[in-house]
Amino acid sequence: GDSVTQMEGPVTLSEEAFLTINCTYTATGYPSLFWYVQYPGEGLQLLLKATKADDKGSNKGFEATYRKETTSFHLEKGSVQVSDSAVYFCALIEGGTSYGKLTFGQGTILTVHP
Amino acid sequence: DAGVTQSPTHLIKTRGQQVTLRCSPKSGHDTVSWYQQALGQGPQFIFQYYEEEERQRGNFPDRFSGHQFPNYSSELNVNALLLGDSALYLCASSYRDGFYEQYFGPGTRLTVT
Repeated sequence: GDSVTQMEGPVTLSEEAFLTINCTYTATGYPSLFWYVQYPGEGLQLLLKATKADDKGSNKGFEATYRKETTSFHLEKGSVQVSDSAVYFCALIEGGTSYGKLTFGQGTILTVHP
Repeated sequence: DAGVTQSPTHLIKTRGQQVTLRCSPKSGHDTVSWYQQALGQGPQFIFQYYEEEERQRGNFPDRFSGHQFPNYSSELNVNALLLGDSALYLCASSYRDGFYEQYFGPGTRLTVT
């Protein structure tokens, strides 16, 4: 079945550092890919998405590129802020008749210090 | 514009009991999906409701059941609670199949003792 694997965490950075969170996937179809963010005590929020190969999703300074050849969707940000501290989830929806069933990775905790 | 709302916020139940969780979708949305998020894990898909019918189901036992009402709100019922059912239960709403975007509620934290 479909699966998503994220880099081991947690990740601790200083403010203005560069962020990369690795995500790879396994899917039988042609999936759409997503990054969700979960702030403490809140539900998940969609951060960005990409629906086909070589698409780049971007939002709030975060970017991720859909790489079909390496089955990856790594999240990057050039300069993190303390307010970016949260849990980040990579997820996919398989193409076809999956009716929007999201398959999530295990999440990566990001802590940014001033 | 109200987002996805869930009730209650927290719940404590005893093993063997039954529980009902509720979800109101975002305005304009007609599809509701439920997810279980165990501590330190990613959410796991339970099932999805559309037009008052269960359209797709994840790998959860029949103890987990649901319902969708004509106003698109939804309930998740869990019978014969086990300690392992302790988790954050998330509701997500979308329009039609939610293929491109789903909006999540804040969740209901269920603790089974």
